[in-house]
Amino acid sequence: KQEVTQIPAALSVPEGENLVLNCSFTDSAIYNLQWFRQDPGKGLTSLLLIQSSQREQTSGRLNASLDKSSGRSTLYIAASQPGDSTTYLCAVSSLNNAGNMLTFGGGTRLMVKP
Amino acid sequence: DTGVSQNPRHKITKRGQNVTFRCDPISEHNRLYWYRQTLGQGPEFLTYFQNEAQLEKSRLLSDRFSAERPKGSFSTLEIQRTEQGDSAMYLCASSREGGSNQPQHFGDGTRLSIL
Repeated sequence: KQEVTQIPAALSVPEGENLVLNCSFTDSAIYNLQWFRQDPGKGLTSLLLIQSSQREQTSGRLNASLDKSSGRSTLYIAASQPGDSTTYLCAVSSLNNAGNMLTFGGGTRLMVKP
Repeated sequence: DTGVSQNPRHKITKRGQNVTFRCDPISEHNRLYWYRQTLGQGPEFLTYFQNEAQLEKSRLLSDRFSAERPKGSFSTLEIQRTEQGDSAMYLCASSREGGSNQPQHFGDGTRLSIL
């Protein structure tokens, strides 16, 4: 059974700092990995998707990397802003279900202080 | 894309009542997913449709839960004889069929509170 862990559970940084969020998964036979943000009381907004054959994806100030063999992904946020304050969720889809369901980590709550 | 739409946004009901939620996926998406999220946790998969066919169900989906997607467009999730433990955010997502580059797009969820 796939298990996904996110460390740290919470993080507080001053505005402008670069930061890294970590995600680990137990079964390396993945279809893809997605990073989401979830604002309080809201649904999930997809940030980046990395296919199993890829090593990284970039969107603006965000860069996500994938090391399938070690079961790890990182989300790098450059020059953090107060608007980046939210919960970040990592989710993987596994090959054994053809990518039909996502297994989520518990999330990292980020606070960027002005 | 108009996005995934879920109704109602909030539902408060007494224990033992039945509730039904609706999800309208992005129009060209033939895959639809339901997830449940409790406070402070990541979402957990409940069930998945491809067009009108329900292809996968989690063990979390007890016999009090039923989901339908009769015409392959919108979907409903019904919970019968609600219990305190059913209090959660119920999230719907949709995606295109295809390879590993198809992300799931989520709605804003329905928050269920059982009194």
